Amino acid sequence: DAKTTQPTSMDCAEGRAANLPCNHSTISGNEYVYWYRQIHSQGPQYIIHGLKNNETNEMASLIITEDRKSSTLILPHATLRDTAVYYCIVLSGNNRKLIWGLGTSLAVNP
Amino acid sequence: DTAVSQTPKYLVTQMGNDKSIKCEQNLGHDTMYWYKQDSKKFLKIMFSYNNKELIINETVPNRFSPKSPDKAHLNLHINSLELGDSAVYFCASSQGGAGGPRTQYFGPGTRLTVL
Repeated sequence: DAKTTQPTSMDCAEGRAANLPCNHSTISGNEYVYWYRQIHSQGPQYIIHGLKNNETNEMASLIITEDRKSSTLILPHATLRDTAVYYCIVLSGNNRKLIWGLGTSLAVNP
Repeated sequence: DTAVSQTPKYLVTQMGNDKSIKCEQNLGHDTMYWYKQDSKKFLKIMFSYNNKELIINETVPNRFSPKSPDKAHLNLHINSLELGDSAVYFCASSQGGAGGPRTQYFGPGTRLTVL
């Protein structure tokens, strides 16, 4: 499965949009882009996933570039409760083995 | 309603003891997983069961033995506990068709401390 590269940490002001980038330049055509987050001491939480098209749900939006080599997770109005480590993972549908990196530690500041 | 639950939440024990962690999911998923998160916060998969059949078995000491009595439960038994087993253990479950996306849903974790 393709590897991903994310910044180690980011800051965001409360109420502003948080844009978290992820590079996955070796992604294959059948691999999905998943985003999870882990709030301190809790279990990882699924946020969103996509294949080719941009996706939006009640938590976030996922923007995937046309060449699929990178994506951006957007939290439209970040709150203090969004402070967490965000993980970008690419995985084919038949593969159940999520490979976790260190993710991006997002700090939302008041 | 708790989707994926684990018991106990905390487990403190002595080296050499045998302990079990239980996991249950009420999502109707066909696949369950055990992950270990160490002090450096890396999350690594240990095992996965699909409909009670072991499908992923990473390089884990054979002191760790998963057991799936039915597809809603996946328990983790650890024999002869060692200091290095101290970590947070997460259970997860997923459901998906062939080739389709397979989102995993995680439990709250069990913090194991071996003294």
